[in-house]
Amino acid sequence: AQSVTQLDSQVPVFEEAPVELRCNYSSSVSVYLFWYVQYPNQGLQLLLKYLSGSTLVKSINGFEAEFNKSQTSFHLRKPSVHISDTAEYFCAVSGGLSNFGNEKLTFGTGTRLTIIP
Amino acid sequence: DTAVSQTPKYLVTQMGNDKSIKCEQNLGHDTMYWYKQDSKKFLKIMFSYNNKELIINETVPNRFSPKSPDKAHLNLHINSLELGDSAVYFCASSQVAAEQYFGPGTRLTVT
Repeated sequence: AQSVTQLDSQVPVFEEAPVELRCNYSSSVSVYLFWYVQYPNQGLQLLLKYLSGSTLVKSINGFEAEFNKSQTSFHLRKPSVHISDTAEYFCAVSGGLSNFGNEKLTFGTGTRLTIIP
Repeated sequence: DTAVSQTPKYLVTQMGNDKSIKCEQNLGHDTMYWYKQDSKKFLKIMFSYNNKELIINETVPNRFSPKSPDKAHLNLHINSLELGDSAVYFCASSQVAAEQYFGPGTRLTVT
């Protein structure tokens, strides 16, 4: 069974300050990892993903996340946040190709990022 | 062009009624999913279909019945609606073991 832990339910950050949203996972098989963002009253959008290869992955809007297998973590970072980054961020894990037939996403409980002007 | 679409966007109904939510994807993906997001924003898988075949059926009451007429469509029918069914329901699609693309959600309110 897989699980995802997002320790911080809410993170307030001043505009232009850096931010880190923490995500830890547990799984008995190799995993794919994802960050999804949900803006107010909208659906989920894929922010970035780790499937294989380089452990540092980046999004087009300045976010990055690093897969750390030894620490079973996939923390999300941004060096300078903007008001428009205010949203709910969900970390998720799926079983990957080694778990065909069970590619469901298991989500963390989400972190609400609030940017303070 | 919407990749994953759901109808309706909002659904308000009374307890005991039967309702359906429709989902369509034009991405050519083989797998489709239904997720439920509760009032605390927690997301949980309900069902998954791969090429019209049910492959994941989490512990969901049998009042919920998914139907996939073809691999581009996955509908969710709910019988005898209860207050606890109030939530946002998301449809998603993916290729095998890859990122999932979500629809805009259907906010179901049972009164």
